[in-house]
Amino acid sequence: DGGITQSPKYLFRKEGQNVTLSCEQNLNHDAMYWYRQDPGQGLRLIYYSQIVNDFQKGDIAEGYSVSREKKESFPLTVTSAQKNPTAFYLCASSTGTDNSPLHFGNGTRLTVT
Amino acid sequence: AQSVTQPDIHITVSEGASLELRCNYSYGATPYLFWYVQSPGQGLQLLLKYFSGDTLVQGIKGFEAEFKRSQSSFNLRKPSVHWSDAAEYFCAVGTGYSTLTFGKGTMLLVSP
Repeated sequence: DGGITQSPKYLFRKEGQNVTLSCEQNLNHDAMYWYRQDPGQGLRLIYYSQIVNDFQKGDIAEGYSVSREKKESFPLTVTSAQKNPTAFYLCASSTGTDNSPLHFGNGTRLTVT
Repeated sequence: AQSVTQPDIHITVSEGASLELRCNYSYGATPYLFWYVQSPGQGLQLLLKYFSGDTLVQGIKGFEAEFKRSQSSFNLRKPSVHWSDAAEYFCAVGTGYSTLTFGKGTMLLVSP
């Protein structure tokens, strides 16, 4: 079955360390996204990519970085510059047209202490 | 800028009772509207979507939503709620460039 795989499901890091969250999709979708979810805040867009080797900042890109070297993969790095990195991170993909719904992975819960 | 408001943070409904979750949007052009559901610790699942045409759209799991342009609303409804419907529900508006703006969510609790 096609879908989006996020790994790991839980991730723990010490403050000051960079950490990379994995996102892989086999839906043959052109567009991929990273959202951050905090309790009571809904989902906020971090970065998105509509095509390989290109990506754009979302609403809260500071302290994060991404790459899109392959169509199937869109890893997110949470850097030490992100002031409050503990959150639930959701990766999504879509065909990339304006009315296309997002398909979501099951998320990675990152805890930084 | 576009925005989505879900006025109710929590709603409790008795099992078997009807449900309506409210969603209001702000967007200058014709909106693309979506409802998603999220179980704890999971990703989001699409319930239904509205692009154009019939303003009453049917979705999965017995849900429906009605688009009312005059009220800038896209409320989600279900005639009879089941305990398995307990989850968090998100309304979203498509804002071009294939991105979505989400509301803050409504947590649905189902009482016996």
